Amino acid sequence: AQSVTQPDIHITVSEGASLELRCNYSYGATPYLFWYVQSPGQGLQLLLKYFSGDTLVQGIKGFEAEFKRSQSSFNLRKPSVHWSDAAEYFCAVGGNDYKLSFGAGTTVTVRA
Amino acid sequence: ETGVTQTPRHLVMGMTNKKSLKCEQHLGHNAMYWYKQSAKKPLELMFVYSLEERVENNSVPSRFSPECPNSSHLFLHLHTLQPEDSALYLCASSQEFSASGGGDTQYFGPGTRLTVL
Repeated sequence: AQSVTQPDIHITVSEGASLELRCNYSYGATPYLFWYVQSPGQGLQLLLKYFSGDTLVQGIKGFEAEFKRSQSSFNLRKPSVHWSDAAEYFCAVGGNDYKLSFGAGTTVTVRA
Repeated sequence: ETGVTQTPRHLVMGMTNKKSLKCEQHLGHNAMYWYKQSAKKPLELMFVYSLEERVENNSVPSRFSPECPNSSHLFLHLHTLQPEDSALYLCASSQEFSASGGGDTQYFGPGTRLTVL
């Protein structure tokens, strides 16, 4: 079965600075990879997903993620964060069945 | 209404109460899911329905009882819950139920915040 690790529980970043959130997965074949964002009191919103093809994936709200098979990673990046990016971010991996395995999440705080 | 909606958004109940959570998806999807989200823990998949048939019951205690009367509606019936059942319960849907591949995107509702006293 697949699994996901998000090593950073909490990240604080200044508004306008760049952001990178780490995601490491465990799966024996090519995975399906997702990043979701959850604002306080809200459900999970899909930011982007990787199924195949180009390993650099563009998403909504200016986010991108890069799939690196050699490192089993799918890190999320944003060049310049806005105060509205403060939220919790979840990485998820799907394999050869219908289940998604989620990481425990990374909370992002944006300081002015 | 668009997307996936859940009611109520907040629920406080005693251990002897019976209540139900409702989920409705307006996306024309064929698969629906219940997840439990506890603080600082990964989402736990509870139940999966495909075309109104249950395809997953992930070792969930019988005090949680799902119901899927049609492909747009999903309920979670609650009875004699425990305080450790307090959590955010999320509903999700996907276009298809992909038994052979986890690539179908799941769309989530806002969740019901459940507190069991």
